[in-house]
Amino acid sequence: NAGVTQTPKFRILKIGQSMTLQCAQDMNHNYMYWYRQDPGMGLKLIYYSVGAGITDKGEVPNGYNVSRSTTEDFPLRLELAAPSQTSVYFCASRNRDRGIGELFFGEGSRLTVL
Amino acid sequence: AQSVTQLGSHVSVSEGALVLLRCNYSSSVPPYLFWYVQYPNQGLQLLLKYTSAATLVKGINDFEAEFKKSETSFHLTKPSAHMSDAAEYFCAVSSGNTPLVFGKGTRLSVIA
Repeated sequence: NAGVTQTPKFRILKIGQSMTLQCAQDMNHNYMYWYRQDPGMGLKLIYYSVGAGITDKGEVPNGYNVSRSTTEDFPLRLELAAPSQTSVYFCASRNRDRGIGELFFGEGSRLTVL
Repeated sequence: AQSVTQLGSHVSVSEGALVLLRCNYSSSVPPYLFWYVQYPNQGLQLLLKYTSAATLVKGINDFEAEFKKSETSFHLTKPSAHMSDAAEYFCAVSSGNTPLVFGKGTRLSVIA
């Protein structure tokens, strides 16, 4: 059982480049989330989705885009990367009908923008 | 809006000593409260949760937390620290189906 899989684990980008962080879950979870984690700042919600075709902005959505074409996948797109987007990105999912707040996290994607 | 405040970005305890990590919340509706743990280079794992049932909640690895509405607190405790407890701990709040709002985290160090 793979759970939540994130790729890549590490990436270095140049300012202005674009990339997509991939997230896939095999638990048939309805809800999926993208958080970013910065030292001493905890986790900030970027975007989330309550089901295929539905996405909503979180606390820090600027500079990012998401899509949810299937239940399994929730990619995060960075357009025109900036140094402020250097962070560790976590994807998480949960089942809508059980386990309020019981998120399952991927292992993270560490992004550096130079 | 909901928020959590974790008091102390770093807590250091001796092996075998009591662990106390503090969390205070703010919520205009009855909250659901959570503690997550993050080991180095890993994602977060749920440690325990309060969802309006018993106010004293037991989690994995002998951790527990008590919901105190009058103090708006949800502090995490463990009677006896183990070296393997060294990690970062996050308190989080939700109103139910809203996304979790996390605190800034407390790094726990355990000294032999």
